Amino acid sequence: QVQLVQSGAEVKRPGSSVKVSCTASGGTFKNLAFSWMRQAPGQGLEWMGGTIPIFATTNYAPRFQDRVTFTTDESTSTTYMELRSLTSDDSAIYYCARRRGTHSFDVWGQGTMVTVSS
Amino acid sequence: EIVLTQSPGTLSLSPGERATLSCRASQGVATFLAWYSQKPGQPPRLLIHSASSRATDVPDRFSGSGSGTDFTLTISRLEPDDFAVYYCQQYGASPMYSFGRGTKLEIK
Repeated sequence: QVQLVQSGAEVKRPGSSVKVSCTASGGTFKNLAFSWMRQAPGQGLEWMGGTIPIFATTNYAPRFQDRVTFTTDESTSTTYMELRSLTSDDSAIYYCARRRGTHSFDVWGQGTMVTVSS
Repeated sequence: EIVLTQSPGTLSLSPGERATLSCRASQGVATFLAWYSQKPGQPPRLLIHSASSRATDVPDRFSGSGSGTDFTLTISRLEPDDFAVYYCQQYGASPMYSFGRGTKLEIK
C-alpha cells in the first residue's frame, strides 16, 4: 500500500524559498502521479499543481506558475515542491497526494507546515 | 475557472440523523467530482470519487450522487466519527483541479 511521508516543518523569511519533499513507499514510484495542495490556517484546500514522473510532465496552477517547481528523484522515490519569493500569504500546510486515474487524490502525506515570518 | 460552491457552510446534526451536503459547480464537470472529509490536524481522506463511487474502506453509509453541476454527499446515519469538514473537488478546466470551501458538520 502506497504511503507518502513529507519533510518536517519549515520557518522561512519573506523573499526566500522553501523546498518540501514527499517520499513514497509501498508502490512503484515511476507509476505514480502526484499533486501538491496547500491549506492556509483555517482555510480550504488549494491545488498547486501536479507531476507524473514516468512521463516527466508537470502542470502548475496558473497562480503558482511563475514561482513553483516540482522535481523528482527516482533513486529515492521522492518528489519535491519548491516555492520561491515567499510572503506571509504562503504560510500554510503543504500536502502531497497521489492522483488516481479518476482524478481524485486517495493517498496523502501527513502535511508540512511552512511559516513565513520576518 | 470552475468554482465549486458548497452548502450549507455549517450543518448541525445529531448522531443517527441523516446528513445531506451539496456541491454546485459553476460549469459542468460531468462526473469528475470527489468528496473528502478532514478532521483537525489530519490530511483529507477520500470518500467518494467519480461522483458516486466509494473509495476503499469507506462505509456504505456514505453515498454520492449527481452529474454535471449539482452533486450531493449523503451520510445515511451519522456516527460520532463522521463529524468533520467535508470538501468537494472537481477535475476540469484551468486550474485543472479545485476544491469547494467546505461544509463543517458539527454535533448538535
